Amino acid sequence: DAGITQSPRHKVTETGTPVTLRCHQTENHRYMYWYRQDPGHGLRLIHYSYGVKDTDKGEVSDGYSVSRSKTEDFLLTLESATSSQTSVYFCAISEFGLAGTYNEQFFGPGTRLTVL
Amino acid sequence: KQEVTQIPAALSVPEGENLVLNCSFTDSAIYNLQWFRQDPGKGLTSLLLIQSSQREQTSGRLNASLDKSSGRSTLYIAASQPGDSATYLCAVAPNDYKLSFGAGTTVTVRA
Repeated sequence: DAGITQSPRHKVTETGTPVTLRCHQTENHRYMYWYRQDPGHGLRLIHYSYGVKDTDKGEVSDGYSVSRSKTEDFLLTLESATSSQTSVYFCAISEFGLAGTYNEQFFGPGTRLTVL
Repeated sequence: KQEVTQIPAALSVPEGENLVLNCSFTDSAIYNLQWFRQDPGKGLTSLLLIQSSQREQTSGRLNASLDKSSGRSTLYIAASQPGDSATYLCAVAPNDYKLSFGAGTTVTVRA
């Protein structure tokens, strides 16, 4: 299994509070992603990173920010959590553009976030 | 915008039967296509990746085909087992590295 961990694995918080989710990888992959998974919507990309300090928005980025100060860590922050952000959040990694790599994405175990 | 569709949404078969899962996508300009498995409450496990230049990819009892011109991929699972029960997701990468996912097919293999 790809070395990807997410913390915390479960979190319950209240509306209006800030929340930070962490993704840590040991594979030295350049590309990292944050997705959310919701019934009826499937998996949707929130933000992604293509290198240290290089990030960009996905299709559902409103209300979220990210940071990547080291290759191995990608942080997702909800500045002021809302009930609509109750979801399961997955981190993924990939490598792309180097010989023998074809952007196969590997996923972490997920974080279940409940915003009351 | 790439749209990915998986039909059927759910499938129930007796043990030993072959499984055929379908995935269609609207934009044929893809970089690769990836099939995943997801067990309840768990993360996604990558099963197969097909590059845009390939027609099929095989791993054990799994075989995935790709027809870019018609915007279709099919995942075949031979001789299904109860342990194959899971949700199977198809995801397409356009000409960059961001995946677009289908909603998945939930498979139940009855013993």
